[in-house]
Amino acid sequence: GAGVSQTPSNKVTEKGKYVELRCDPISGHTALYWYRQSLGQGPEFLIYFQGTGAADDSGLPNDRFFAVRPEGSVSTLKIQRTERGDSAVYLCASSLGRGVGTGELFFGEGSRLTVL
Amino acid sequence: AQTVTQSQPEMSVQEAETVTLSCTYDTSESDYYLFWYKQPPSRQMILVIRQEAYKQQNATENRFSVNFQKAAKSFSLKISDSQLGDAAMYFCAYRRSGANSKLTFGKGITLSVRP
Repeated sequence: GAGVSQTPSNKVTEKGKYVELRCDPISGHTALYWYRQSLGQGPEFLIYFQGTGAADDSGLPNDRFFAVRPEGSVSTLKIQRTERGDSAVYLCASSLGRGVGTGELFFGEGSRLTVL
Repeated sequence: AQTVTQSQPEMSVQEAETVTLSCTYDTSESDYYLFWYKQPPSRQMILVIRQEAYKQQNATENRFSVNFQKAAKSFSLKISDSQLGDAAMYFCAYRRSGANSKLTFGKGITLSVRP
């Protein structure tokens, strides 16, 4: 597609449930990033993929959070045993990667997760 | 670790006037990128302007320009002839050049434009 696509746009779940958030990056972008943004705050880095591998997962808050990108394109962020504190907007971004181009990240519109 | 600081949580500007948004950062790297992103209520981050650290000339994009002071580690955004559509959250961000580098954001500033 023309831009980064994220689904679902909004997700409401109950505490303790499992959630998957999907990101479809811009075609040809090898780098993919996940960020979490709480209300009124700047995005916080979660994980970065270069191709299929996680190049940097230092931002994942705990082992309930996991992300995959099995074919080097679409990525899924998985959250187990959700907690109310996980409520936030989860942003995905992609870029050309490996220092190519201008360093710009292109963002999707985010998935708003609400944990009741 | 790199940090980005935006100390002004909110600013307001009269339509057609000029406003400057401040940003400072901390890094030990010599080669990096700096960005200003705009986030309207639709949530999508939109790139406003970009500056490469090795370039001494300040970047300009139409009504948007930056004042990049590398020694002072300062990167402010100037919006000229402010328009109602400029109202949004603005984030300053830093990225080390090269592979495997993430974008680090400041906390953002909410800009309102008075008609």
